[in-house]
Amino acid sequence: SQTIHQWPATLVQPVGSPLSLECTVEGTSNPNLYWYRQAAGRGLQLLFYSVGIGQISSEVPQNLSASRPQDRQFILSSKKLLLSDSGFYLCAWSSSGALSGNTIYFGEGSWLTVV
Amino acid sequence: KQEVTQIPAALSVPEGENLVLNCSFTDSAIYNLQWFRQDPGKGLTSLLLIQSSQREQTSGRLNASLDKSSGRSTLYIAASQPGDSATYLCAVRTVAGNQFYFGTGTSLTVIP
Repeated sequence: SQTIHQWPATLVQPVGSPLSLECTVEGTSNPNLYWYRQAAGRGLQLLFYSVGIGQISSEVPQNLSASRPQDRQFILSSKKLLLSDSGFYLCAWSSSGALSGNTIYFGEGSWLTVV
Repeated sequence: KQEVTQIPAALSVPEGENLVLNCSFTDSAIYNLQWFRQDPGKGLTSLLLIQSSQREQTSGRLNASLDKSSGRSTLYIAASQPGDSATYLCAVRTVAGNQFYFGTGTSLTVIP
């Protein structure tokens, strides 16, 4: 069966420090991968999605970047964190085939507090 | 761009009541619509998926309907229980861009 791992679970970082959140998927190949941010009262905001190694699409301009160095690995990064980067970050994956029947699966999330 | 709205934002009901959560979306060109449950501080768990060609799906006490032409979906929860307390989110998978767009959720509290 497929599983998704996301870490770290919680993170407290000072303003201006770098960030690296990592996500890996097991039990599937060539998944679509996603990074979402969930801020209080604002729902899930799609940050990045990837349909393959090295293929990253950004939904919104921001202080963050994403990379996919391997088929089942997705990394969210920042060189210098802002206070507004605080939030709950969720990695997710979906199958690349049979689009209408496909669901999206989420990791457990990473709480980031920028102080 | 697809916009997904959920009403109400919060709902509190006594145990045993039946309830309906609403979801609306602006672009009807979707592959599917899903309902998710999110417990505090946790990731999302899929409850029901309705393909664009379907009208409804049922799982236990949950029933979700889809009216694609009007851009609406409802999640019906029968005989609510305290364990149903959570935030419920709907999401649509769009044809253009092949992405998932989420509503802001409905926070449900079932009072024992």
